[in-house]
Amino acid sequence: QVQLVESGGGVVQPGRSLRLSCAASGFIFSSYGMQWVRQAPGKGLEWVAAIWYDGSNKYYADSVKGRFTISRDNSKNTLELQMNSLTGEDTAVYYCGRHRNYIDYDEGLDVWGQGTLVTVS
Amino acid sequence: DIQMTQSPSSLSASVGDRVTITCRASQSISSYLNWYQQKPGRAPKLLIYGTSTLQSGVPPRFSGSGSGTDFTLTISSLQPEDFATYSCQQSYRTPLTFGGGTKVEIK
Repeated sequence: QVQLVESGGGVVQPGRSLRLSCAASGFIFSSYGMQWVRQAPGKGLEWVAAIWYDGSNKYYADSVKGRFTISRDNSKNTLELQMNSLTGEDTAVYYCGRHRNYIDYDEGLDVWGQGTLVTVS
Repeated sequence: DIQMTQSPSSLSASVGDRVTITCRASQSISSYLNWYQQKPGRAPKLLIYGTSTLQSGVPPRFSGSGSGTDFTLTISSLQPEDFATYSCQQSYRTPLTFGGGTKVEIK
């Protein structure tokens, strides 16, 4: 079945780096744009980054621009988020999601992973 | 950046009630408005995209309307499984922004 599984979360000290992964299965990963969305404890959803199906376009939230990098490996069906210079404000559950509309982000995310918790402390 | 304001932030309702949640954008987003449902400890679930199109498998008691800056999510007859948090998101332009969420609780 269609599935996204995040990994790589954990406890990290401020200023350090962490790399999250999202393994996709059950669909043609290389045909879909993908995103990362996070949710701080007890807070609402915050969009983090998006990447087109072929990696040609990438978009970032202002809060992570210059510190986070979204990437994908279509040969391994994997989405990644490299997070540098982490602060306590980055503490959150990080979800990966699939664009409903193949390429573009205009129709939301129709498949989500279970999330991975990142704690910066 | 486009700011999304949801109201109310929470509400109490009974099974069978009609529930309406509002989302307002700080500028026109045409019809690029999506709604998500999230239950505690779970990932969000896409309910409606493009303002009014139901995602596959979503019950018809959910409906969406609006355009420009003002949007509404309506649950025509609240069911026990609908108690959750609902969030709107604009997908008109990056950064893609979410509303603060509306928690629907049992009265």
